[in-house]
Amino acid sequence: KAGVTQTPRYLIKTRGQQVTLSCSPISGHRSVSWYQQTPGQGLQFLFEYFSETQRNKGNFPGRFSGRQFSNSRSEMNVSTLELGDSALYLCASSSRLAGALETQYFGPGTRLLVL
Amino acid sequence: SQQGEEDPQALSIQEGENATMNCSYKTSINNLQWYRQNSGRGLVHLILIRSNEREKHSGRLRVTLDTSKKSSSLLITASRAADTASYFCATVSNRDDKIIFGKGTRLHILP
Repeated sequence: KAGVTQTPRYLIKTRGQQVTLSCSPISGHRSVSWYQQTPGQGLQFLFEYFSETQRNKGNFPGRFSGRQFSNSRSEMNVSTLELGDSALYLCASSSRLAGALETQYFGPGTRLLVL
Repeated sequence: SQQGEEDPQALSIQEGENATMNCSYKTSINNLQWYRQNSGRGLVHLILIRSNEREKHSGRLRVTLDTSKKSSSLLITASRAADTASYFCATVSNRDDKIIFGKGTRLHILP
């Protein structure tokens, strides 16, 4: 089974621009979560999508948004980029249907640098 | 705020020794998970322990959970150079199902 894939792997943007990151989950997984990882704040949960619906959301401003398509692929969008948005963005998929979130499989991440 | 907090922040041990990392959290959980991350890459799931379990084993890994103290420990026995990585605990709240990661322990295995 192919793992979680994320594109692009690296990205450089300037302040004020917007960016869209893509994540393809493991085949059959319907839950996709996004995380932001920075040296200062560590790993922080952004949101989780399940069957095209946002299931849970972290404490990030509205500039961070996401969506999920019918094939479970997910995109994350950040508008009006700020320098502090520079981070490693990780996507994870899970086979969970109901019940608590359990094992997640992570992609390699997209490293975003905002200049 | 971060719920899971790992201790120590960094740990260096000789190859072959055992490594122990601790995680503390604040609220009620459904389960607690441990992940490993190698140098800025994606995380790899190691082991999950549910709130009604006290101990789990997987190969050279042993995890304990004490819900009364809101703490967990990860023991890696007979460490190897390949174990050099950052280790994170993650708790899943049984109130709102949100997952919170700690800031991790950086483990360095010395040859």
